[in-house]
Amino acid sequence: EDQVTQSPEALRLQEGESSSLNCSYTVSGLRGLFWYRQDPGKGPEFLFTLYSAGEEKEKERLKATLTKKESFLHITAPKPEDSATYLCAVRPSGGYNKLIFGAGTRLAVHP
Amino acid sequence: DAGITQSPRYKITETGRQVTLMCHQTWSHSYMFWYRQDLGHGLRLIYYSAAADITDKGEVPDGYVVSRSKTENFPLTLESATRSQTSVYFCASSPRGLNTEAFFGQGTRLTVV
Repeated sequence: EDQVTQSPEALRLQEGESSSLNCSYTVSGLRGLFWYRQDPGKGPEFLFTLYSAGEEKEKERLKATLTKKESFLHITAPKPEDSATYLCAVRPSGGYNKLIFGAGTRLAVHP
Repeated sequence: DAGITQSPRYKITETGRQVTLMCHQTWSHSYMFWYRQDLGHGLRLIYYSAAADITDKGEVPDGYVVSRSKTENFPLTLESATRSQTSVYFCASSPRGLNTEAFFGQGTRLTVV
């Protein structure tokens, strides 16, 4: 069964303390992996799409990487405004109408 | 303003009542989606539409009905609301479907009592 698991569920960082969020997936072929950011009371906001193992993408303090089994969202020197829930979603090859979201990682960055 | 808007933002309804959640986008994106988000679960796809008059089921379609007579609108109807449909509902649009990024609305928090 296709599955997406994000860890940790919650992460507390001090401002400037770099860390990584994990998204591991079990799917029958990968068509794409997406990272979104969600602020409380708002809809998800697109960050990155990764399509193949070895691919990396960066945006400001965020860098997303992809292997055959997992993706990491690296946050370098985070600021309080990076506090949000980060969602990972996987588009498997098998189901044409499937997009599987993980439950998310709640990140809190304290000054 | 350009974007995707949902209405209402909050709704309380009684079990058994019909309720419609509205979604409007100004980008003329071909694809539109409805998701629900429940505590401890990821977003789950309810229905999607590839174009006007073309809709298809997602992961959790039971109890929901959609229509899309115009490109910009994609209403979601709960024909007979149940407590298990208490959730936050998100509408999204995309220019190229599930293989690319989607743009989400602000969400509708629905409570069925």
